[in-house]
Amino acid sequence: EAGVTQFPSHSVIEKGQTVTLRCDPISGHDNLYWYRRVMGKEIKFLLHFVKESKQDESGMPNNRFLAERTGGTYSTLKVQPAELEDSGVYFCASSQLSGSAYEQYFGPGTRLTVT
Amino acid sequence: AQSVTQLGSHVSVSEGALVLLRCNYSSSVPPYLFWYVQYPNQGLQLLLKYTSAATLVKGINGFEAEFKKSETSFHLTKPSAHMSDAAEYFCAVRRSNFGNEKLTFGTGTRLTIIP
Repeated sequence: EAGVTQFPSHSVIEKGQTVTLRCDPISGHDNLYWYRRVMGKEIKFLLHFVKESKQDESGMPNNRFLAERTGGTYSTLKVQPAELEDSGVYFCASSQLSGSAYEQYFGPGTRLTVT
Repeated sequence: AQSVTQLGSHVSVSEGALVLLRCNYSSSVPPYLFWYVQYPNQGLQLLLKYTSAATLVKGINGFEAEFKKSETSFHLTKPSAHMSDAAEYFCAVRRSNFGNEKLTFGTGTRLTIIP
């Protein structure tokens, strides 16, 4: 069974440009989460989808970030326009069932560098 | 609110020696606690989790952790370190009540094994 995949693995863009990150969860997983790790700091929650609905988006930093999950399968996270402080590693995770006891399976992350 | 503190951003141990990675948490409700490991160029992998059953939790690769409510701790241990244990380790907490499933992570501890 394929794990969580993320594309691209690395992205380098200039300040003011737009970048779209993609996450493909494990097949059949209704729950999808985005997290971000800024260099040297903790991994922080961004948002949580249940199927195509946003269950919790309390961690989204500002309105330059837009997450979508059309059809309840893959998800995209768009940053527009990108700022220097958006640099970091963006992780996606998925889980089959809702509930805090259930494991979240993480992808390898997308390393975003804004110059 | 909940938070996690990992003491020591870098820990070095000799091969064969005891591994001890410290994690303290705070949570306003009974917590679920997790340890994740990240090997280079890979996603986060779950080592073990505490979800209010046994306080001593055994995980993969010989790791275990003990939930101590009185000390608000969930330290990770392994009796004998192997070279393959070199990685970054993250402690995370999650609220146990339904509908709030985001993970709150510590800042991570990079473990180096000395041959």
